Amino acid sequence: ETGVTQTPRHLVMGMTNKKSLKCEQHLGHNAMYWYKQSAKKPLELMFVYNFKEQTENNSVPSRFSPECPNSSHLFLHLHTLQPEDSALYLCASSPGQGNQPQHFGDGTRLSIL
Amino acid sequence: DQQVKQNSPSLSVQEGRISILNCDYTNSMFDYFLWYKKYPAEGPTFLISISSIKDKNEDGRFTVFLNKSAKHLSLHIVPSQPGDSAVYFCAASGGAGNMLTFGGGTRLMVKP
Repeated sequence: ETGVTQTPRHLVMGMTNKKSLKCEQHLGHNAMYWYKQSAKKPLELMFVYNFKEQTENNSVPSRFSPECPNSSHLFLHLHTLQPEDSALYLCASSPGQGNQPQHFGDGTRLSIL
Repeated sequence: DQQVKQNSPSLSVQEGRISILNCDYTNSMFDYFLWYKKYPAEGPTFLISISSIKDKNEDGRFTVFLNKSAKHLSLHIVPSQPGDSAVYFCAASGGAGNMLTFGGGTRLMVKP
């Protein structure tokens, strides 16, 4: 499925580096999400954006900084990460509020050295 | 405290038979439930959903059942096919927003 595209697919970075994850959706949706999936843990919601406005920050540390310049693009800026931040980061989008399924990208596999 | 739980980490089924995946939840505010399938190196793919006003929803080989009094839902796949081998996640949301809470997943293996 190419509706939600994430880049890069894999990223290895040191704890002092700064990098960004990118997500783009071509579905005309108005809501976008960042999730984290650590080994042997359920997907955890990190951030929610509705119509470019952040509506949810699920107690995420400030070393993760989201940015949503428009309804089609979502970034996750990373700086001074910790080894425990190594995980699969998934982006999703949905039409908007209400009971509608979210559509996921294929994720970025992040490894912190 | 996990609000959505999938207590079986794995399930093995013979091709052509029925696969039943189970999910339990604790939050009575949840009113919308979904099942996703995930292959390795891919993101979760939406399969089927059900609103709390229903107790059954069917889409081809996939049927989701909801038992609100037991706070339990299940996904039935019949007949199971080898291509159904994947990790299945249940998810739930409630209230006005669209924030999903996921279970830990069940790995389904369908043997030819």
